[in-house]
Amino acid sequence: GQQLNQSPQSMFIQEGEDVSMNCTSSSIFNTWLWYKQDPGEGPVLLIALYKAGELTSNGRLTAQFGITRKDSFLNISASIPSDVGIYFCAGQLGAQKLVFGQGTRLTINP
Amino acid sequence: DAGITQSPRHKVTETGTPVTLRCHQTENHRYMYWYRQDPGHGLRLIHYSYGVKDTDKGEVSDGYSVSRSKTEDFLLTLESATSSQTSVYFCAISESKGAGANVLTFGAGSRLTVL
Repeated sequence: GQQLNQSPQSMFIQEGEDVSMNCTSSSIFNTWLWYKQDPGEGPVLLIALYKAGELTSNGRLTAQFGITRKDSFLNISASIPSDVGIYFCAGQLGAQKLVFGQGTRLTINP
Repeated sequence: DAGITQSPRHKVTETGTPVTLRCHQTENHRYMYWYRQDPGHGLRLIHYSYGVKDTDKGEVSDGYSVSRSKTEDFLLTLESATSSQTSVYFCAISESKGAGANVLTFGAGSRLTVL
């Protein structure tokens, strides 16, 4: 099946540091989505990207839709303890087909 | 809040037994999905529904069946559970956003352990 390669798989950072993670694929996507999952909960949408080259922010989060439509990145500035969780990218292939990355587990040391 | 309720939230069962997970939504969304989440694999689509009695397979549908007899309920059934089906199962609904994008909203998950 389709694969999204998400990296890094895990990150251990100090509070206040900036974070960067990305997803790449051999396939072209129409839409890129970034989700965050807290322990014991379902993923929650952070940012949706609809056009190649698009750069979108949501508070301290910034995400970009790669110009080739095969990649996307998510940056978190000035991390805080509540940023802890698992971050997933997802690419939309067709009308009802989302492909998810393997996730990036973020741990923050106070 | 998209009003998605999954039940049960936790279940332990034995190999070979049937299991049904229920997803209930309160906002009349047409599309509903079942995903499973496993370490190293992210979320993988099992089945989805695009209306009452209309369903289609996802990438990991073997060993699973679904039913949707009314808009608000989407059931996932494991006819004979196996240990490889130990996982966390998420239901989701689809909400249309800009440019025809398919944005999913997830339930809280059902953790299934097959012994």
